[in-house]
Amino acid sequence: KAGVTQTPRYLIKTRGQQVTLSCSPISGHRSVSWYQQTPGQGLQFLFEYFSETQRNKGNFPGRFSGRQFSNSRSEMNVSTLELGDSALYLCASSLTGADSTQYFGPGTRLLVL
Amino acid sequence: DQQVKQNSPSLSVQEGRISILNCDYTNSMFDYFLWYKKYPAEGPTFLISISSIKDKNEDGRFTVFLNKSAKHLSLHIVPSQPGDSAVYFCAASGAGSARQLTFGSGTQLTVLP
Repeated sequence: KAGVTQTPRYLIKTRGQQVTLSCSPISGHRSVSWYQQTPGQGLQFLFEYFSETQRNKGNFPGRFSGRQFSNSRSEMNVSTLELGDSALYLCASSLTGADSTQYFGPGTRLLVL
Repeated sequence: DQQVKQNSPSLSVQEGRISILNCDYTNSMFDYFLWYKKYPAEGPTFLISISSIKDKNEDGRFTVFLNKSAKHLSLHIVPSQPGDSAVYFCAASGAGSARQLTFGSGTQLTVLP
């Protein structure tokens, strides 16, 4: 079974731009969660989608948004990029989200200049 | 407010010996705990999990112990191998359908040959 895939792997943007990251979960997994990893803050939860609905949201500003498609693939979007958005963005998929282990993709490394 | 804490940022162990990584949590609603291993530039890899109804779970060289009264869990790796050198994160999630993971800050394990 193929693992979680994320595209692109690396991205360079400038302040004020917007970016869209993509995540394809493990086949059969319906829950997709997004996390941001930075050296200072560690791994922080952004949001979780299940059956095309955002089910849970972390403590991030509204510039961070996401969506999930009927095939469970998910995208996250960050608008009006700031320097502090430079991070590794990780996507994790699980069967149902509830009482099931989350499996992570390799991440997208975003650098904002 | 750090709900999951890994107080040791680094640990060095000799090959063949036991590695013990520790994690403390404060939220009594957490009922599912996981350990992930992470190499640079990769997403976290799931290692082992434990639910709050158990106090021990074993998988090969990895054993996780949970002490609910102390709100403490530990990961034992026996015997340690150089390939185990990585950052280890503990994570916890609470009851409910939204499985948001709260991560500790990680412990860098170095296994010396």
